[in-house]
Amino acid sequence: DAGVIQSPRHEVTEMGQEVTLRCKPISGHNSLFWYRQTMMRGLELLIYFNNNVPIDDSGMPEDRFSAKMPNASFSTLKIQPSEPRDSAVYFCASVIILRTGDNYGYTFGSGTRLTVV
Amino acid sequence: AQSVTQPDIHITVSEGASLELRCNYSYGATPYLFWYVQSPGQGLQLLLKYFSGDTLVQGIKGFEAEFKRSQSSFNLRKPSVHWSDAAEYFCAVAPAGGYNKLIFGAGTRLAVHP
Repeated sequence: DAGVIQSPRHEVTEMGQEVTLRCKPISGHNSLFWYRQTMMRGLELLIYFNNNVPIDDSGMPEDRFSAKMPNASFSTLKIQPSEPRDSAVYFCASVIILRTGDNYGYTFGSGTRLTVV
Repeated sequence: AQSVTQPDIHITVSEGASLELRCNYSYGATPYLFWYVQSPGQGLQLLLKYFSGDTLVQGIKGFEAEFKRSQSSFNLRKPSVHWSDAAEYFCAVAPAGGYNKLIFGAGTRLAVHP
């Protein structure tokens, strides 16, 4: 099992540019979460999906942020246009959530370090 | 609303000393409880988790945690700290049932003195 795979590992972009972060969850996992980590705000939940459907995007900071999960094996987080305050590490996590509501634990990717200059 | 409190931002211990990191949660029912560790520049690694049953949970790297319902706490412990344990530790909770939205505490940064 390759785990949760995120790409790119590092991204440096200029303010105003579009940025797309990618995540491949573990095969068979039915839920996917996007987090942002900064020194000031810690780990913030941005959005999560269950069976490819967005369930709660209340953590998405602004309309500049959008996320999609077109299929069970791929998700993207897009920032357009990017701003310096978006600089952070973005993590993706996946988990199996059973019908009972139980789960076996969340697996995190290695993260994407985004720097907007 | 659910919340997780890690009251200690930084902790410094000597190598070989015992360690306890505190975690308190606010929730209507017993949630699922987790401890993660993050080394500088790295991702989050699961140390241990509590879903139900025995309130003393054993994890990797010699860590354990005890769930105390009466105190809404899930403190992480290790009897003898190694220099390689220096990292940031996060307590996290998710509601039992539903979509299992995982929420993190602010983290505790552990420094280990030789």
